[in-house]
Amino acid sequence: NAGVTQTPKFQVLKTGQSMTLQCAQDMNHNSMYWYRQDPGMGLRLIYYSASEGTTDKGEVPNGYNVSRLNKREFSLRLESAAPSQTSVYFCASSPLRTGGSNEQFFGPGTRLTVL
Amino acid sequence: AQSVTQLGSHVSVSEGALVLLRCNYSSSVPPYLFWYVQYPNQGLQLLLKYTSAATLVKGINGFEAEFKKSETSFHLTKPSAHMSDAAEYFCAVSWVSGNTPLVFGKGTRLSVIA
Repeated sequence: NAGVTQTPKFQVLKTGQSMTLQCAQDMNHNSMYWYRQDPGMGLRLIYYSASEGTTDKGEVPNGYNVSRLNKREFSLRLESAAPSQTSVYFCASSPLRTGGSNEQFFGPGTRLTVL
Repeated sequence: AQSVTQLGSHVSVSEGALVLLRCNYSSSVPPYLFWYVQYPNQGLQLLLKYTSAATLVKGINGFEAEFKKSETSFHLTKPSAHMSDAAEYFCAVSWVSGNTPLVFGKGTRLSVIA
């Protein structure tokens, strides 16, 4: 049981390049999330998927797209990377259910640098 | 808008001293409350959670937190700090009313001095 896995762990991009961050969970969770973490800013939600087939914008969605490929996988795409997207990206999942405790489980993160 | 406030972006304590990390939330309904810990270069790990079963919640590594509805607070404490407690701590809240993601505070970095 690996929990939440993310690939790659590190990535360096040049401005304008594109890339996809991959996330997978093996806990049969309904909901998945993408966050970015920057110094002094805490975690900011980029996009989330409450259930397979749905996605919603979070606090900072500009410059990103997501795909909920299936129940296990949720990818984050940067179409044209900018230096402002230099950050650590975390994927999380939760067994989201109405009226229940939607505790989130986090992956180890992807450290992205855009030059 | 619902929010979570962590007072103090950086807290420094001596080894063996009391650890107190503060968290306040804004809410019109009773929430679910969480504390997460992040060690350097790692993801977030659940420390403890409040789900209305008891107001004093015990977590891993000797940490505990008390839910005080009248103060809208959920402060994290540990009686005696250990060097290994040095990490960043995040308070998070979710509300029963909808399928909304957790709202995180901005985090408090705990330093432990020998």
